[in-house]
Amino acid sequence: GQNIDQPTEMTATEGAIVQINCTYQTSGFNGLFWYQQHAGEAPTFLSYNVLDGLEEKGRFSSFLSRSKGYSYPLLKELQMKDSASYLCAVREVFYNQGGKLIFGQGTELSVKP
Amino acid sequence: SAVISQKPSRDICQRGTSLTIQCQVDSQVTMMFWYRQQPGQSLTLIATANQGSEATYESGFVIDKFPISRPNLTFSTLTVSNMSPEDSSIYLCSVETEYNEQFFGPGTRLTVL
Repeated sequence: GQNIDQPTEMTATEGAIVQINCTYQTSGFNGLFWYQQHAGEAPTFLSYNVLDGLEEKGRFSSFLSRSKGYSYPLLKELQMKDSASYLCAVREVFYNQGGKLIFGQGTELSVKP
Repeated sequence: SAVISQKPSRDICQRGTSLTIQCQVDSQVTMMFWYRQQPGQSLTLIATANQGSEATYESGFVIDKFPISRPNLTFSTLTVSNMSPEDSSIYLCSVETEYNEQFFGPGTRLTVL
């Protein structure tokens, strides 16, 4: 079966660093996505990891360990505008049907002054 | 990335009616998907829109309720048929690029009275 777990909510302070953990158990794993979603808006693409390790893009980094079924984004120098829901999604591929995404429930991040 | 538009952006419909949502992308893509996001929930895949053949539906979703068309590589429609209040959701299309990254359209917010 499929199981993707992430915390429901987190709180962090402006200027700090926050790590949002996502663990997954799926079959047909072919990569992991992170999206940011502000209330009332569509999800915005943040990262796509296929290989193990840390990928950095400015204030945002994303880590993947396939052997442990574990991923996290790192958000540095937090700003108030980073308050949003962060969605972890696993890409599954079967019989060359293309990559469908299975989403976790999302982590609501609140950045406080 | 890809630029994706959806029409309508929102609608309020009466029970028992049907609504067709359009998704247009600015470049040819192989894979297009339709997702639903119910209030306070994460995203759930409805179906993969296949060009030139019938859509592939996920468990719990059927063609009679959510017929999908995909006449070419830049356009798809999703119809929500015989609507009930339980169909009130945000409906989002997504596309997968040649690099396996997935981007979402702005979504269609549907309210069924």
